[in-house]
Amino acid sequence: ETGVTQTPRHLVMGMTNKKSLKCEQHLGHNAMYWYKQSAKKPLELMFVYNFKEQTENNSVPSRFSPECPNSSHLFLHLHTLQPEDSALYLCASSQDTSGETITDTQYFGPGTRLTVL
Amino acid sequence: SQKIEQNSEALNIQEGKTATLTCNYTNYSPAYLQWYRQDPGRGPVFLLLIRENEKEKRKERLKVTFDTTLKQSLFHITASQPADSATYLCALSAPGRRALTFGSGTRLQVQP
Repeated sequence: ETGVTQTPRHLVMGMTNKKSLKCEQHLGHNAMYWYKQSAKKPLELMFVYNFKEQTENNSVPSRFSPECPNSSHLFLHLHTLQPEDSALYLCASSQDTSGETITDTQYFGPGTRLTVL
Repeated sequence: SQKIEQNSEALNIQEGKTATLTCNYTNYSPAYLQWYRQDPGRGPVFLLLIRENEKEKRKERLKVTFDTTLKQSLFHITASQPADSATYLCALSAPGRRALTFGSGTRLQVQP
């Protein structure tokens, strides 16, 4: 496996629920990412964290709230979601090799399949 | 705006043949390009990276070319096998930006 784990693997929630997705990387990387993958659409970058600091928010609605307590853990807190938010949510990590060109080869987790009813 | 296009939604070939997948991009000047494989219900897996100053990269049965003039990358799988059936994604990074932008992928089906 890739060294990036995600829980839960499947989640069904109502529009009024609050839930959280968890990602953990065991690769010693310093950057972590959330992506959304909907059917027949490209992966959409949501958030980027580098050394626990958010460096990119790709105009994501506030009903998605990320949290990165340390370089190994990343959360995505969900509240009052819409049915169109149903998708595969993927977490990834990468290593910034200091002094070299950043290549950001990304290591993905298996994803959380989210269904919003 | 920046755009990545991958050829056709599905490519069907016979086992043993060479599969060729295309990635075209516009309004980018990427320093490098990456190819990933994704199986249904799973996260993408990194395959190959090619830099802007490299014309070709090989890894076992895989070969990637990168033509910055044509703004195109070709991904080849030689002696294809049914186990190669998957969706293949190309990804680019804009200069100065950490994160990758992915194409929508090409689904490859290798028939035995």
